[in-house]
Amino acid sequence: DAMVIQNPRYQVTQFGKPVTLSCSQTLNHNVMYWYQQKSSQAPKLLFHYYDKDFNNEADTPDNFQSRRPNTSFCFLDIRSPGLGDAAMYLCATSRPDRDGQPQHFGDGTRLSIL
Amino acid sequence: SQKIEQNSEALNIQEGKTATLTCNYTNYSPAYLQWYRQDPGRGPVFLLLIRENEKEKRKERLKVTFDTTLKQSLFHITASQPADSATYLCALVADSNYQLIWGAGTKLIIKP
Repeated sequence: DAMVIQNPRYQVTQFGKPVTLSCSQTLNHNVMYWYQQKSSQAPKLLFHYYDKDFNNEADTPDNFQSRRPNTSFCFLDIRSPGLGDAAMYLCATSRPDRDGQPQHFGDGTRLSIL
Repeated sequence: SQKIEQNSEALNIQEGKTATLTCNYTNYSPAYLQWYRQDPGRGPVFLLLIRENEKEKRKERLKVTFDTTLKQSLFHITASQPADSATYLCALVADSNYQLIWGAGTKLIIKP
């Protein structure tokens, strides 16, 4: 089945130690998104790629970076994680050539900061 | 500013009854609205989409309504089951026509 896969499911890192989260998709969708979601809150868009074009949200901290080496893979790098970065990180894809196309999510990476 | 509101309090429903969840929005005129289900520790899963020119959409036990005058969407689950217990999020399309603006979701608990 075509899907969005995130690794790892759980990540523990130390305060200030860089961490990379990964996402892969077999849907061949143009757009890939990274969201941060904290408990009982709406998913917060960090950035997205439309093909190779990178789009950063205005309020995404500089601490967060992303790479998309090819259509299938996307990475989220947190350069110096702080305690406030503990959250669920969700990767999603969509194919916006048709209006209203839904986003397809992976099961997320739960990031804990020690 | 654009705002989406969903009831932050959990909704407790007896099994077999109809559950109705509300999504209200302000300062926006979305072309369409989507509903997702999210289980604990999992990513959201798309359920239904309704366009601005549609009043109602159905899929099996699910029904969504969209009232652009009231700026409100209602999400109904008929003959509810304990397996329907989850958090349900609504999302509106943003100006870009593919990015979504999300509500925080309502937790639904179906009691046997």
